[in-house]
Amino acid sequence: KQEVTQIPAALSVPEGENLVLNCSFTDSAIYNLQWFRQDPGKGLTSLLLIQSSQREQTSGRLNASLDKSSGRSTLYIAASQPGDSATYLCGYDKLIFGTGTRLQVFP
Amino acid sequence: GAVVSQHPSWVICKSGTSVKIECRSLDFQATTMFWYRQFPKQSLMLMATSNEGSKATYEQGVEKDKFLINHASLTLSTLTVTSAHPEDSSFYICSAQSTGPTGELFFGEGSRLTVL
Repeated sequence: KQEVTQIPAALSVPEGENLVLNCSFTDSAIYNLQWFRQDPGKGLTSLLLIQSSQREQTSGRLNASLDKSSGRSTLYIAASQPGDSATYLCGYDKLIFGTGTRLQVFP
Repeated sequence: GAVVSQHPSWVICKSGTSVKIECRSLDFQATTMFWYRQFPKQSLMLMATSNEGSKATYEQGVEKDKFLINHASLTLSTLTVTSAHPEDSSFYICSAQSTGPTGELFFGEGSRLTVL
């Protein structure tokens, strides 16, 4: 059974901290992996996409890495801000998603 | 990024009625769209894959006669919940796949369905 696990399930940090969100998956033959942000009652916003041939992608304060052999991806958020508060989900190949990490950044 | 519009954003209906939800890709063509269902504090559950001009592919356990999917054009897919019941109340989200080399997914804002 294909599964995606995200750790931690919830995270509450003060503003300014650097964060690491973890995503592990059981299927090593993935095509690509995406990180998304979901605000309450809203759809998903794509943050970063890493193709299977890539090791990492960066966008602003966000950096995502991918290690297919170990079935892991990490999302690094630098200098966190209150506006980063949301649920972060990883998913691969359009079909399989984790349950997310609920992040709260307080001032 | 590309924009996917989902409508309505919320709907309340009586038990036994049918509800249609639209998913449109506004600035790109999407040969493939996906429909998901999300329960509170849970992840997305893929319901079906919608391919333009052909029948949708449903995931195991999803009733195709209950959840009718039509993908009549490259920019529009619809999900109709037929004879809705309270247990169908949920958050429904669609996504559209970019035809570019990465196959990136872009999501709609979701539709909150409440069946009384």
